[in-house]
Amino acid sequence: QQKVQQSPESLSVPEGGMASLNCTSSDRNFQYFWWYRQHSGEGPKALMSIFSDGDKKEGRFTAHLNKASLHVSLHIRDSQPSDSALYFCAASEGNNYAQGLTFGLGTRVSVFP
Amino acid sequence: ETAVFQTPNYHVTQVGNEVSFNCKQTLGHDTMYWYKQDSKKLLKIMFSYNNKQLIVNETVPRRFSPQSSDKAHLNLRIKSVEPEDSAVYLCASSSRGRSSYEQYFGPGTRLTVL
Repeated sequence: QQKVQQSPESLSVPEGGMASLNCTSSDRNFQYFWWYRQHSGEGPKALMSIFSDGDKKEGRFTAHLNKASLHVSLHIRDSQPSDSALYFCAASEGNNYAQGLTFGLGTRVSVFP
Repeated sequence: ETAVFQTPNYHVTQVGNEVSFNCKQTLGHDTMYWYKQDSKKLLKIMFSYNNKQLIVNETVPRRFSPQSSDKAHLNLRIKSVEPEDSAVYLCASSSRGRSSYEQYFGPGTRLTVL
């Protein structure tokens, strides 16, 4: 079973609309979460990290973490065609960055005009 | 330009051959990683190197071996490729600092095993 699960698998959003992505961890050791975005033919690129309960906003992107339920969400406001990509939720245990990240299967976002 | 560079972009080979992929980072990071991304886009960590020491070695087949000459380079060698090795191999790097251990990825090397 995937330790990091994402939903939905895919999402279509009108340009200017809001996209909402979800992520849940089944491993209580995971306390640190990231959102990565991967465009076709490229490597993933970090969008933002969230380590504390509550909301974190960076530009059009807002992440929310609930540590009790190990649920993370990402909301993309005013979606643009360039936001069309594969979005990954990733998690790690504690502060041991050298351990690497555990990724979910991703949510494919398509922004249509 | 500071980034993570990978060569080659693509490689096609036959079962049983040996292949080697290169990765270099110019970000001054102290840890480098190799991930495998399969056809379903699942990303799984294979290795990480910190100060020339292997930190994480997931249960990958023994035909895979990481090779590091210094903290800016981490190559991946596959001794005798199998069809299931067909995938995109992604190199990444990170370091302690204000970026909260953000990992920076290269563009990947796509391996096709015939």
